[in-house]
Amino acid sequence: QKEVEQNSGPLSVPEGAIASLNCTYSDRGSQSFFWYRQYSGKSPELIMSIYSNGDKEDGRFTAQLNKASQYVSLLIRDSQPSDSATYLCAVNIGGSQGNLIFGKGTKLSVKP
Amino acid sequence: DTGVSQDPRHKITKRGQNVTFRCDPISEHNRLYWYRQTLGQGPEFLTYFQNEAQLEKSRLLSDRFSAERPKGSFSTLEIQRTEQGDSAMYLCASSRQGMGSPLHFGNGTRLTVT
Repeated sequence: QKEVEQNSGPLSVPEGAIASLNCTYSDRGSQSFFWYRQYSGKSPELIMSIYSNGDKEDGRFTAQLNKASQYVSLLIRDSQPSDSATYLCAVNIGGSQGNLIFGKGTKLSVKP
Repeated sequence: DTGVSQDPRHKITKRGQNVTFRCDPISEHNRLYWYRQTLGQGPEFLTYFQNEAQLEKSRLLSDRFSAERPKGSFSTLEIQRTEQGDSAMYLCASSRQGMGSPLHFGNGTRLTVT
């Protein structure tokens, strides 16, 4: 069973702090990695994609990928109350042409 | 880019009835996906199409579920003889071809089976 694992949280951080969200995956052949944000009652919204080892920065968001450790993370700098949501890690499992496998998500709460 | 459109937004049905949902993808995307999501869980893959061809189906997908994309544009997902366990959010997504292409989701159809 090819899996994507995330801590369900909730992860609570104060406004202005760095929020760190983590994800591990089971299939070494995985090649594409995504972070989605999902507000309660809404559909997932793409935040970041990352395909090679290292860091990728986009505004307040940084995605980090370590394929050797099968680990991908998302850092949110200067966290805002509007960042409070569930963050879903998604992995394009190696060998599959198209579908993404999602983790259960980590619920983030940013306290004012 | 008008986004992925799903209809209806909500559906309440009685157990044993059949239901059908529609999804219109982003026009330039040739891949279309169906996912199901229940409370506290991530989206669970059901099936996906590339143009009109259904390329992959989840082994978890009951034979009561069928999806079509007859002209490679919109898609329908039908659930026959609904059960209470089918209650969930049904999400449609689309993407360009290519393994690294991200999925863009519609607003979903929330199904409640009573």
